[in-house]
Amino acid sequence: NAGVMQNPRHLVRRRGQEARLRCSPMKGHSHVYWYRQLPEEGLKFMVYLQKENIIDESGMPKERFSAEFPKEGPSILRIQQVVRGDSAAYFCASSRDFNTEAFFGQGTRLTVV
Amino acid sequence: QQQVKQSPQSLIVQKGGISIINCAYENTAFDYFPWYQQFPGKGPALLIAIRPDVSEKKEGRFTISFNKSAKQFSLHIMDSQPGDSATYFCAASGRNFNKFYFGSGTKLNVKP
Repeated sequence: NAGVMQNPRHLVRRRGQEARLRCSPMKGHSHVYWYRQLPEEGLKFMVYLQKENIIDESGMPKERFSAEFPKEGPSILRIQQVVRGDSAAYFCASSRDFNTEAFFGQGTRLTVV
Repeated sequence: QQQVKQSPQSLIVQKGGISIINCAYENTAFDYFPWYQQFPGKGPALLIAIRPDVSEKKEGRFTISFNKSAKQFSLHIMDSQPGDSATYFCAASGRNFNKFYFGSGTKLNVKP
């Protein structure tokens, strides 16, 4: 029973490039959450998705960031035209239902050079 | 505006001692308060959680104390071990169960 799988684990992008972060939820889980963790800080909520729907994107920056969770395949967090300030660890969590425990993946560490 | 404030930022405890980490919140709509443990390079893992209808919850060496009127909660780690050395985050959520507001973290170092 694999946990939440995130890939890549580490991603290096030059300023202006696009970053794509993938998250495969646990088996049977249809709710996905993305969080961002800046160095030496706590996690900050970004977006909550169910299959094919964005439920809450109140934590997403207004520009350059987008997320999707298609009917088939992993959830994708996409960052266009990355800047140095996007360097962070991005964590995905999944849950079976909206009010059941969410389990976190090991994160993708994005470095923008 | 930080919804959950956590202290201390770092903590050094001798093996066998008690580690205490404190958190405070403002939003009275919060009704679920978990603690997460994070090792370097790993994702946060749920350690223990409490709802405001109880004042204390204990699981093994880990205890949450909850003070609803003061809007504070704390994690106590009894008989701390070097393997407990990690970063601990408190969090809070409300109606949207898994939309957590995290504290800034406490880096715990248990010395052998």
